[in-house]
Amino acid sequence: ELKVEQNPLFLSMQEGKNYTIYCNYSTTSDRLYWYRQDPGKSLESLFVLLSNGAVKQEGRLMASLDTKARLSTLHITAAVHDLSATYFCAVADNNAGNMLTFGGGTRLMVKP
Amino acid sequence: EAQVTQNPRYLITVTGKKLTVTCSQNMNHEYMSWYRQDPGLGLRQIYYSMNVEVTDKGDVPEGYKVSRKEKRNFPLILESPSPNQTSLYFCATSTVPHYGYTFGSGTRLTVV
Repeated sequence: ELKVEQNPLFLSMQEGKNYTIYCNYSTTSDRLYWYRQDPGKSLESLFVLLSNGAVKQEGRLMASLDTKARLSTLHITAAVHDLSATYFCAVADNNAGNMLTFGGGTRLMVKP
Repeated sequence: EAQVTQNPRYLITVTGKKLTVTCSQNMNHEYMSWYRQDPGLGLRQIYYSMNVEVTDKGDVPEGYKVSRKEKRNFPLILESPSPNQTSLYFCATSTVPHYGYTFGSGTRLTVV
């Protein structure tokens, strides 16, 4: 059974600082997704990572995938208040038709 | 416009009164799924469907029913709702094999 673990679960940071959210998973996968969720809202797709070494960047967010280490990171550069949200990683299970298993989420609060 | 439409967005009901939450998609996706989201528990899958007339239990199916009579619709039925089913519900769809999910806007259900 695929397990997906995110760290940290909660992150409070100052504007302008950098930080990294980690997503570890337990079995082989070659496809990983990052989603953003604002309070009470739906999940919005941020990044799709499809191969080992993949790196995607959008604004102050950069996501990477290391399939050998079974690890993805979401790096935040010079955080701003608008990035406050909950971030989920989701991993495709190669043994289950690539259905997605979600991590528990990281709630990010960026303080002015 | 490609979308997943859930209705209603908000619902307050009483214990035992049957209700249905609808989900409809216009992307011709084979896969449809229902999740519930609760504080501290992340996203938990209730039921999913790989295609018409094919449904299967997710992680937390107790107290729920689904049907998939048409490809575009995947209603979630609560025959006798209870307060512990108070939650935020999301419908998600995907192609098969999966290349990421598209989420509906969510249904906030309160059972009193």
